[in-house]
Amino acid sequence: DGGITQSPKYLFRKEGQNVTLSCEQNLNHDAMYWYRQDPGQGLRLIYYSQIVNDFQKGDIAEGYSVSREKKESFPLTVTSAQKNPTAFYLCASSIQGTSYGYTFGSGTRLTVV
Amino acid sequence: KNQVEQSPQSLIILEGKNCTLQCNYTVSPFSNLRWYKQDTGRGPVSLTIMTFSENTKSNGRYTATLDADTKQSSLHITASQLSDSASYICVVSEVESGGGADGLTFGKGTHLIIQP
Repeated sequence: DGGITQSPKYLFRKEGQNVTLSCEQNLNHDAMYWYRQDPGQGLRLIYYSQIVNDFQKGDIAEGYSVSREKKESFPLTVTSAQKNPTAFYLCASSIQGTSYGYTFGSGTRLTVV
Repeated sequence: KNQVEQSPQSLIILEGKNCTLQCNYTVSPFSNLRWYKQDTGRGPVSLTIMTFSENTKSNGRYTATLDADTKQSSLHITASQLSDSASYICVVSEVESGGGADGLTFGKGTHLIIQP
């Protein structure tokens, strides 16, 4: 079945550590996105990529980095520069050039310990 | 600045009752409006998508309405079930230029609890 897979479901990070969240899709979508969700707030865009080897900063990119080496994969690294990383992270994908067909993954909950 | 406001923030109703969730937006130029259901700890799942010319759309017990003139939408849930307990998120898309991905504005959601 086509879809988006995020892993791991739960992730714990120590202070000063970098961690990488995985996002893989087999929908043949060109565009992929990362959002952060905090309690009582709407989803906020971190980074997005419309095509392989290209990506753009969203509204809250500081402290995060991404890569897009393959169409199917868009990993997100939460660096030590992100001072408040505890949140629920959602990956999404869509057909390039349109917001139709937006499909979300099941999310990764990151907690700083 | 584009905004999407949802009300109420939270709602508790008894199983079997109906309820209506509200969404007001200031996004312009408008492209489409969608409602998502998000179970706790899961990703959002699309319920309905409406364009400017559509003023009602149903998906089972869920019926969404859109008034593009007043920039308001509602999601009506009929004969609620325990599995309807979730957050419901309103998302409005502006007409995109160049395929940009920042054309979506998300509401903060309404947290719905169905009690037996």
